[in-house]
Amino acid sequence: DAGITQSPRHKVTETGTPVTLRCHQTENHRYMYWYRQDPGHGLRLIHYSYGVKDTDKGEVSDGYSVSRSKTEDFLLTLESATSSQTSVYFCAISGPSFQETQYFGPGTRLLVL
Amino acid sequence: ELKVEQNPLFLSMQEGKNYTIYCNYSTTSDRLYWYRQDPGKSLESLFVLLSNGAVKQEGRLMASLDTKARLSTLHITAAVHDLSATYFCAVDMIEDSNYQLIWGAGTKLIIKP
Repeated sequence: DAGITQSPRHKVTETGTPVTLRCHQTENHRYMYWYRQDPGHGLRLIHYSYGVKDTDKGEVSDGYSVSRSKTEDFLLTLESATSSQTSVYFCAISGPSFQETQYFGPGTRLLVL
Repeated sequence: ELKVEQNPLFLSMQEGKNYTIYCNYSTTSDRLYWYRQDPGKSLESLFVLLSNGAVKQEGRLMASLDTKARLSTLHITAAVHDLSATYFCAVDMIEDSNYQLIWGAGTKLIIKP
């Protein structure tokens, strides 16, 4: 398995609170991605990173921000969580080019009440 | 806008039978990926198909790609219970220097003894 961990693995929070999810990799891959998975939608890309401090928006970026200050860490922040952000969040990595197979972390289940 | 459609979305079948899952996509793309997801788990890469006519096989699973028809198939031969999972296809999209995978909604496969 690719060395990818996510924390926390489960979180329950209240509407309006900030939430940060962490993805950590030990593979030294350049590309990192945050997805959300909802029934009937497959996976949808939130943000991705192509290097330290280099990030870009995905398909469903509204309400989310990201940061990557080190190669191994990619943080996803929900500035003010809403119930529509209840989902399973997956981090993925790929490298050395962006068109390599993506490998996924174990996921974080987030419930926003 | 690239769209990826899988069918069927749900499939219940008997062990020993053969079946095919279809993945259609709406615009030209270079690569197509197949992933497997067990309930409550992460996604596992199965195949990456790089060119027209590409065929890859692993055990009882065989994937093929027809770029002209914009169609990929995942064929299951003599199904066994262990292949019960949700299968996703995903297609590369590069637009305005942005890269992302566009995912199908997934096919939930249940194989009954």
